[in-house]
Amino acid sequence: AQKITQTQPGMFVQEKEAVTLDCTYDTSDPSYGLFWYKQPSSGEMIFLIYQGSYDQQNATEGRYSLNFQKARKSANLVISASQLGDSAMYFCAMREGSGTYKYIFGTGTRLKVLA
Amino acid sequence: DTGVSQDPRHKITKRGQNVTFRCDPISEHNRLYWYRQTLGQGPEFLTYFQNEAQLEKSRLLSDRFSAERPKGSFSTLEIQRTEQGDSAMYLCASSRDRGHIDTEAFFGQGTRLTVV
Repeated sequence: AQKITQTQPGMFVQEKEAVTLDCTYDTSDPSYGLFWYKQPSSGEMIFLIYQGSYDQQNATEGRYSLNFQKARKSANLVISASQLGDSAMYFCAMREGSGTYKYIFGTGTRLKVLA
Repeated sequence: DTGVSQDPRHKITKRGQNVTFRCDPISEHNRLYWYRQTLGQGPEFLTYFQNEAQLEKSRLLSDRFSAERPKGSFSTLEIQRTEQGDSAMYLCASSRDRGHIDTEAFFGQGTRLTVV
């Protein structure tokens, strides 16, 4: 069964510093996609970045990059040059290529950026 | 493109009452998902539609829960005989299926249900 694990309930980072949020996953499907979402206090889930299982290069989107280590089944989110507005919950999610295409989420990491 | 819209944003109901939530997906999005999120947890999958067809229901979705998506447009989620354990945020998401796994889902702001 597919599963997402986020082991960091909370993280602090100083403004302008980089931070890494951990995510490991488990699936037997060779085709899958990994997503990161941000959930500010307003509640809306905001899509940040995507990594496909067959992608050769790590995904990047502005200040967000994904450190994809397929053999370790990890897909860590790196936020560079943290800003106060980055304070939020961050969720890692997975979608398998076969089956129903539903998104399975981890328990999330609460990031607090300090001024 | 106005995003995914959910109504109401907040709902307080007495235990045993029925409630219904509405979700309007992004137009032309053929997939629609319902999730439930409790405090400090990630969203849990409840059910999803491709167009008007409900293709999967989670085991979390007891027989008190029913969802519909008539004509493949908006969707409703009804909870009958609400229980205090139903208190949660109910999130709706939609995506435009292109037959690939790289399609991101767009979420609404959710409906927060409190059962008293």
